[in-house]
Amino acid sequence: GEDVEQSLFLSVREGDSSVINCTYTDSSSTYLYWYKQEPGAGLQLLTYIFSNMDMKQDQRLTVLLNKKDKHLSLRIADTQTGDSAIYFCAESTNQAGTALIFGKGTTLSVSS
Amino acid sequence: NAGVMQNPRHLVRRRGQEARLRCSPMKGHSHVYWYRQLPEEGLKFMVYLQKENIIDESGMPKERFSAEFPKEGPSILRIQQVVRGDSAAYFCASSPGAGNEQYFGPGTRLTVT
Repeated sequence: GEDVEQSLFLSVREGDSSVINCTYTDSSSTYLYWYKQEPGAGLQLLTYIFSNMDMKQDQRLTVLLNKKDKHLSLRIADTQTGDSAIYFCAESTNQAGTALIFGKGTTLSVSS
Repeated sequence: NAGVMQNPRHLVRRRGQEARLRCSPMKGHSHVYWYRQLPEEGLKFMVYLQKENIIDESGMPKERFSAEFPKEGPSILRIQQVVRGDSAAYFCASSPGAGNEQYFGPGTRLTVT
């Protein structure tokens, strides 16, 4: 069945790079997304990548997609304390791209 | 441009009562999605609606849950006869079209006592 897996925790020091990894199972995924959730808040769309791309860069964020291995990563350069949050990977699998399948989230903790 | 609005932000209900959760999509968005987040879990898709139509309710429990998105007004997620297991955060998202990126509201945190 469809499943999205993420490691649960990541701890980094301020100024370092963070890399959050995600694996998915549905090879028909059209879009893959990264969302950020701060405590008690909703989900903020950070970035997304279309399945025919292998990389997308947006300021401090770099998304890498390895479609063969069904592996997605989010790299945050120069991580700041304000980046501390839960990061969710999500895939859209049906043809219409409507129902998103989410991982359980990776809690990023940034220490100064 | 206001984002997705949800209200109430927090809702407390006793077992057996009804819960009504409201979602107003972003301006120009006619597609609405509801997700549920249990503690320590990711979000689970419940239902996808366009104006006046339910398009996909494959994630919706068969009993006690219903959703609507009328021609005028917000989308409503209704939970009848709530039980403790319904306690969760319920998020609404909207998009301008099917398959476009979804933008989420702040969520409604439902507590059933």
